[in-house]
Amino acid sequence: DIQLTQSPSFLSASVGDRVTITCRPSQGFSSSFAWYQQKPGKAPKLLIYDASTLQSGVPSRFSGSGSGTEFTLTISSLQPEDFATYYCQQFNSYPLTFGGGTKVEIK
Amino acid sequence: QLQLQESGPGLVKPSETLSLTCTVSNGSISRSSHFWAWIRQPPGKGLEWIGSIYYSGSTFYNPSLKSRVTISADTSKNHFSLKLTSVTAADTAVYYCARQVVVPAALVSFDYWAQGTLVTVSS
Repeated sequence: DIQLTQSPSFLSASVGDRVTITCRPSQGFSSSFAWYQQKPGKAPKLLIYDASTLQSGVPSRFSGSGSGTEFTLTISSLQPEDFATYYCQQFNSYPLTFGGGTKVEIK
Repeated sequence: QLQLQESGPGLVKPSETLSLTCTVSNGSISRSSHFWAWIRQPPGKGLEWIGSIYYSGSTFYNPSLKSRVTISADTSKNHFSLKLTSVTAADTAVYYCARQVVVPAALVSFDYWAQGTLVTVSS
C-alpha cells in the first residue's frame, strides 16, 4: 500500500497569507494525484487532479505541483472561504489512499 | 449536472450487515470512463476508500475491509450498493458514494460526491 504523509496536520493562517501543504508518498510515482477541500458537514470537493490540473470552477489561487515523493498544494492568497480541511489522494495503485488531512484555521 | 444520493438505514446493530445504495441521476453508471466508489469517514477522522465497481461488475476493494465488503451495481436502476457485514462500533462513519474517473488516465479523480450519510453502529 502507498501511505501518504501529509503535513502539517494543522495550520493557523491569516486572510491573504500564502499557504503550502505537502504530501509525501511512501513510494514515488509521477502523477495520478489529487487534492480535495472539505468543509464541516460537507462532502469533499475536488480541487486538483493529475497533481497540477485545476478542476473546473476552482479559483486560480489554488495550485498543485510535484511528482515522485513530494506533492504540494499551494493557496496563493488565503480567502475566508478557504478555511477548511484539505486531503491529498493517490490513484497510482490500489488500494487508493488518502493523506491524514490538513486543517486550515483562522489565526 | 450529475447527482449522487445515498440511501439506507442510519442505525445498524453490532454484528449485523450495513447496506447502502447510491442512486445516480443525470448520468449513467454504464459509461466506460468511470468507476463508482464508496468512501467513509469516521467522526472527526480522515477519509478511507472502501472499494470501487465498474458497471460490468469488476470490483476493487480495500484489503483492510475486503473480507466483509461487497459492492454491486444495477445498471437497470442506475445505482450501486454497498454491503458491509459483521459491523462493529469502529464502522460508525459518514459513508460517501462518488464517481471515480478512470479514462483518460490523466483525469483520474473522485469528481462527483454524494452528500454523505451517517451510519451509526449501536445496539
